Amino acid sequence: AQSVSQHNHHVILSEAASLELGCNYSYGGTVNLFWYVQYPGQHLQLLLKYFSGDPLVKGIKGFEAEFIKSKFSFNLRKPSVQWSDTAEYFCAVNTIGDYKLSFGAGTTVTVRA
Amino acid sequence: ETGVTQTPRHLVMGMTNKKSLKCEQHLGHNAMYWYKQSAKKPLELMFVYNFKEQTENNSVPSRFSPECPNSSHLFLHLHTLQPEDSALYLCASSQGERQDEQFFGPGTRLTVL
Repeated sequence: AQSVSQHNHHVILSEAASLELGCNYSYGGTVNLFWYVQYPGQHLQLLLKYFSGDPLVKGIKGFEAEFIKSKFSFNLRKPSVQWSDTAEYFCAVNTIGDYKLSFGAGTTVTVRA
Repeated sequence: ETGVTQTPRHLVMGMTNKKSLKCEQHLGHNAMYWYKQSAKKPLELMFVYNFKEQTENNSVPSRFSPECPNSSHLFLHLHTLQPEDSALYLCASSQGERQDEQFFGPGTRLTVL
């Protein structure tokens, strides 16, 4: 089974700073990749996903992620964060033909106004 | 709102109680999932149903018993739980295709005394 690791447990930054969250997975085959976000008191929702094609994926709210196959990575980025980006971010992976999503432990992002 | 609702939102129960969690999706999806979310741990997939048939039981103890009477409803029956079962239980649904995005409900916060 694949595993997903998120390097940072908690990131604190100021508004307008740039954000990059690391995500690595361990599976040698073809994967689908996702980033989900959970705002305080709200449900998990999809930020972006990668299935195939352009490895640079753009999602909602100005987020993007880059799939680097050789590094088994799918890092999430945002050039300039806002206070409203305070949330917990989860990377997830599944393999072709498998329903099961494997999640990372999550990264809590706190943006100070 | 994601179109996936869960009730109750909060539940406190003793170890000898029997209770049920309910999930309903209004998206016309065919696959439904139960996840367990514990603090600082990756989301754990518990059960998967596709077209009302259970396709995955991820080594979950028998004190958790799922039921899927139709494609729109999913239950998790709980009995003789342990304090370590305290967690946020999330329901999700997807169209059924294995690459599809999963839509999550708000979760039930369960506390076992």
